[in-house]
Amino acid sequence: IAGITQAPTSQILAAGRRMTLRCTQDMRHNAMYWYRQDLGLGLRLIHYSNTAGTTGKGEVPDGYSVSRANTDDFPLTLASAVPSQTSVYFCASSDSGDTQYFGPGTRLTVL
Amino acid sequence: EDQVTQSPEALRLQEGESSSLNCSYTVSGLRGLFWYRQDPGKGPEFLFTLYSAGEEKEKERLKATLTKKESFLHITAPKPEDSATYLCAVQAWTNAGKSTFGDGTTLTVKP
Repeated sequence: IAGITQAPTSQILAAGRRMTLRCTQDMRHNAMYWYRQDLGLGLRLIHYSNTAGTTGKGEVPDGYSVSRANTDDFPLTLASAVPSQTSVYFCASSDSGDTQYFGPGTRLTVL
Repeated sequence: EDQVTQSPEALRLQEGESSSLNCSYTVSGLRGLFWYRQDPGKGPEFLFTLYSAGEEKEKERLKATLTKKESFLHITAPKPEDSATYLCAVQAWTNAGKSTFGDGTTLTVKP
């Protein structure tokens, strides 16, 4: 069982480019989340999905979009990347809505 | 607005030197308080969930406790492999499924 996989592991991106971070889980969890973690700080929620077909905004949603076409996949898209979106991005999932299981992260640098 | 404050930011211990990490929180109706461990370059890993004041959970050298205003993560006779960043998060009943994270405490245990 892989749990949660994220791709790519790391990426350097030119400002203004479009980028999609991929997240896939094999635990059949209903809820999925995207967080960003900046150096020395905790996790901030970007977007979430309580079940396939629904999404919601978190604490820092501006500049990001998500979709949840099925239970397993929850991609995060940066429509036009800016340097302030340089961060480590974590995807997580939860069955009951409390304990969350995290992926290994994507390290994104926007130049 | 839910808030989580962790202290200290960093803690350096000698192997075997017991100590505690603090997580102070403000939340309108606590659904759950969570502790996670995060190793460098990896995603957070779930440790404990506490639901009500007075509750305690233990795992190896770690014990988590909860009051109405704060939680402590007690580390007894730590070993170098306990070195990591420890994150605290809360969920409110009004925001079920969405966690608010603190900035973490980075623990270093020297042999």
